[in-house]
Amino acid sequence: DGGITQSPKYLFRKEGQNVTLSCEQNLNHDAMYWYRQDPGQGLRLIYYSQIVNDFQKGDIAEGYSVSREKKESFPLTVTSAQKNPTAFYLCASRDLTTTYNSPLHFGNGTRLTVT
Amino acid sequence: QQPVQSPQAVILREGEDAVINCSSSKALYSVHWYRQKHGEAPVFLMILLKGGEQKGHEKISASFNEKKQQSSLYLTASQLSYSGTYFCGTLSSGSSNTGKLIFGQGTTLQVKP
Repeated sequence: DGGITQSPKYLFRKEGQNVTLSCEQNLNHDAMYWYRQDPGQGLRLIYYSQIVNDFQKGDIAEGYSVSREKKESFPLTVTSAQKNPTAFYLCASRDLTTTYNSPLHFGNGTRLTVT
Repeated sequence: QQPVQSPQAVILREGEDAVINCSSSKALYSVHWYRQKHGEAPVFLMILLKGGEQKGHEKISASFNEKKQQSSLYLTASQLSYSGTYFCGTLSSGSSNTGKLIFGQGTTLQVKP
């Protein structure tokens, strides 16, 4: 079955450490997105990529970095510069080949806790 | 600019109806609706395109008024399984070529027996 895999489901880190969240998709989608979710604040866009080797900042990109070396993979690094990294992180992908109105497909998320 | 959803929370009894609204200050190309259960990924419900169309999925339907830049989600004869947080995601006319969805803050719906 096609889908998006995020790993790990739970991640714990000490403050000051960088951490990388994995996102892999086998849906052959061109576009991939990272959202951050905090209680009561909905989903906020961190970074997105429409094509390999290209990506754009979303609304809250500070303290985060991404890469898109392969179509299937879009890892997110939470750097030590991110002031409040504890959150639920959701990766999503979308088929842009036919229409820009195709739905987002989400992974199951990674809950990051930094202490 | 994040779309605004109202109400923030709704409590219903099984069989009752609810309406969730989503308003944007930007001209919209489309509106998406998703439902999320606690700790899980959001699940796609439907997409509304500009043109005022109304879509439905079983007892859940939605409308989109592009002039008012608003969308409403209608849940009729609610079931326990409808409980969760509902998000609207908007695609503005200026961002239609990026596919970049901006989400509202969510509306929490609780259906009680």
